[in-house]
Order: sequence, then structure tokens, then C-alpha cells
Amino acid sequence: EAQVTQNPRYLITVTGKKLTVTCSQNMNHEYMSWYRQDPGLGLRQIYYSMNVEVTDKGDVPEGYKVSRKEKRNFPLILESPSPNQTSLYFCASRDLAADTQYFGPGTRLTVL
Amino acid sequence: LAKTTQPISMDSYEGQEVNITCSHNNIATNDYITWYQQFPSQGPRFIIQGYKTKVTNEVASLFIPADRKSSTLSLPRVSLSDTAVYYCLVALTLDSNYQLIWGAGTKLIIKP
Repeated sequence: EAQVTQNPRYLITVTGKKLTVTCSQNMNHEYMSWYRQDPGLGLRQIYYSMNVEVTDKGDVPEGYKVSRKEKRNFPLILESPSPNQTSLYFCASRDLAADTQYFGPGTRLTVL
Repeated sequence: LAKTTQPISMDSYEGQEVNITCSHNNIATNDYITWYQQFPSQGPRFIIQGYKTKVTNEVASLFIPADRKSSTLSLPRVSLSDTAVYYCLVALTLDSNYQLIWGAGTKLIIKP
């Protein structure tokens, strides 16, 4: 089954404790991206990647890092999380030949 | 600067047709317009995509006027299960840079 998976689905952590949210897709898509979703603000793109070893900042990249060492994986790294990064995070992938994105189920992160 | 604008919320009744309009100024000639549906605790899900005039699939229609400054998602004969948030998305390609412009979402509530 074609899908985007994220782990963990829920995470509660404390300020400053490094964390990684994993994202994996099995559709061989070149393009992957991370979004955060906050009430009243819709979806905002954090980082995106057009292919392996190619990453670019989205609209709200501050406080986040990503890597794209393999085509299927695109982890989101918070080196020193802060309470303002409490949010719902979505990973997405798409084929560059099409304009349809496939979203993961989301990761709800709470930073205390 | 491109921007997408859509109503914050709408409500309707079962069996009615619902039209949600998104305004998107300054989109380029070759840019697609895509609509997504999102239920609580789930990632956005693709509904329909269009470039110009009218597109129809098994769940919705998308109307795009000649000037392409807006688009209208039409949901025929809605049911309670259509209660969700609907996002308009425009993909822009400027000087080989690919940028996604999301609307803030329209919360649609269907009443019995």
C-alpha cells in the first residue's frame, strides 16, 4: 500500500531535549516536505527536499533541521525544542511529475 | 507576491451543493490549483486538481475562470461526512523555484 509514515505519532518532551521525527514514503517520490499546522494558521511549510541530498527552507525553518540521505526518508530534527514548537507536524511526499501530495498521519508534539 | 484567500468557515445542510471559492492572485500560466480535505487527527487528502476551465471527478468539481484569479470547489449533494476543513493550494514555478502557497483553510460544517 502506498503510504507516508511518521513516527512517533505523539510526543511530549521538555525544552532543550533534542528530538527527531522520522518520515518514510514507499512511493519512490523525489519531493518530500515537512509542515506544521497551528490553529488559525493552516499548513506552513518548514523544509522541503527536491531529491536526495537537496534540501531547502520553507516558510518557517527556524529551529528545525532536516536531512535527505536516502530517497525514502526525510527526518525532521529539533536540536533544542522550545514551547513555541508545540504543534501538529505533517510529512508529505509527491512525484515531481505530478502535483499531488500524499500526507502522513501527523505527529502531535508538545514541548513543555 | 502570490497569496491564496478562502473563507474561514461555511455551513450547509445534507443534500445541498456547496461551493467554496479561493482567490489566488498572481499565479503563473502553468500553475495548478489543488484542493485538499482534512478530517480531525488526519493528514490532508487530495480531492481535485485543475489548471483551467472545469475539472470533475467522482467526489467534486473544480471551476476555474479564464483569468485564473480564483477557483471554486463544488461538492454536490453533501453529507454529514463531508464536514471537514478544505484547503486551496497553488503551486508556483518562478525562475525554476517551486513554491507552494496554501490557503488558511475553510471549515465546512454540514448539518442534518
